[in-house]
Amino acid sequence: DGGITQSPKYLFRKEGQNVTLSCEQNLNHDAMYWYRQDPGQGLRLIYYSQIVNDFQKGDIAEGYSVSREKKESFPLTVTSAQKNPTAFYLCASSGRQGDNVLTFGAGSRLTVL
Amino acid sequence: RKEVEQDPGPFNVPEGATVAFNCTYSNSASQSFFWYRQDCRKEPKLLMSVYSSGNEDGRFTAQLNRASQYISLLIRDSKLSDSATYLCVVNGPRGGYNKLIFGAGTRLAVHP
Repeated sequence: DGGITQSPKYLFRKEGQNVTLSCEQNLNHDAMYWYRQDPGQGLRLIYYSQIVNDFQKGDIAEGYSVSREKKESFPLTVTSAQKNPTAFYLCASSGRQGDNVLTFGAGSRLTVL
Repeated sequence: RKEVEQDPGPFNVPEGATVAFNCTYSNSASQSFFWYRQDCRKEPKLLMSVYSSGNEDGRFTAQLNRASQYISLLIRDSKLSDSATYLCVVNGPRGGYNKLIFGAGTRLAVHP
């Protein structure tokens, strides 16, 4: 079945460490996205990519980095510069341009100790 | 004012009840509207798109009121399995490709 796979599902990190969250899709979607969800808030866009080797900052990109070397993969690195990294991270993808329907992965829950 | 606002709830209703949620949005130029469902600690999943003329999918009915800038979701004959958080999603003010704005969600709890 086609879908989006995120790993790890749960991750604990110490302050000052960088961590990378994986996102792989086999839906043949062009666009991929990273969102962050905090309790009581809507999802907020971190980064998005419409095509391979291209990506744009979303609303809260500071302290994060991404790459898009393959169509299927869009990893997110949470750097030590991110002040409040504890959150639920969701990767999503969508098809052709103008298609606003998102398919989400199961999410990665990051806790900073 | 938030770009997309929802009553956080919770809405506690008995099985079989009819319940309605509203969501207001601030950008009058918004063109795309959706309801997503999110179960506790899970990812959001598309429930239904919202069309200008209103649309229905089984027990679920979505309406759009452009003049007052809100969308609504009506659930009839509530089931225990409808318990979830319902997210209102609107395409964003910059009107860019898939720059969607998510509401914080309305929590529904259906009890026996």
